[in-house]
Amino acid sequence: EAQVTQNPRYLITVTGKKLTVTCSQNMNHEYMSWYRQDPGLGLRQIYYSMNVEVTDKGDVPEGYKVSRKEKRNFPLILESPSPNQTSLYFCASSLSSMKGYEQYFGPGTRLTVT
Amino acid sequence: GIQVEQSPPDLILQEGANSTLRCNFSDSVNNLQWFHQNPWGQLINLFYIPSGTKQNGRLSATTVATERYSLLYISSSQTTDSGVYFCAVDPYSSASKIIFGSGTRLSIRP
Repeated sequence: EAQVTQNPRYLITVTGKKLTVTCSQNMNHEYMSWYRQDPGLGLRQIYYSMNVEVTDKGDVPEGYKVSRKEKRNFPLILESPSPNQTSLYFCASSLSSMKGYEQYFGPGTRLTVT
Repeated sequence: GIQVEQSPPDLILQEGANSTLRCNFSDSVNNLQWFHQNPWGQLINLFYIPSGTKQNGRLSATTVATERYSLLYISSSQTTDSGVYFCAVDPYSSASKIIFGSGTRLSIRP
């Protein structure tokens, strides 16, 4: 089944403890991205990747890192999480970095930082 | 940047009713998608519809790109249709992201 998977789905952690949220897609998609969703602010893009080893900042990249060493994986790294990073996170992918392709979203990761 | 407005913001209906959700956008787009966010937070793809009309069961969507709007129709609503419906556009002018509207929260009462 074609899908985008994220792990973990739920995570409660403490301030300053490094964590990684994994994202994987099995559709051979070039383009991948991360969004966060917050009440009243909607979905905002954190980082995106046009292809392997090509990443760039979205609208809210502060406090996050990403890497794209393989086409299928695009992990989101929080080196020192803070309470303002408590949010619902989505990974997304699309076939091509060319504009206009359908985007597919993972199931979401609900992160709480205390 | 492009503005994406959805209406109504909230909608409460009885089971079996029909509804129309609207998405207006302020600039030309490459693509438009409709999503349903269920009560568990998952974003479900409903339609990829840069233009024209598509139907999938009780749901259908129409995008009139020249007039910069899209409509999502839900017929014979069921309680499982409850959640938030988002439209998202891929603007010509943007770097590489889609822009989401603020959503329509739909509640279907049994």
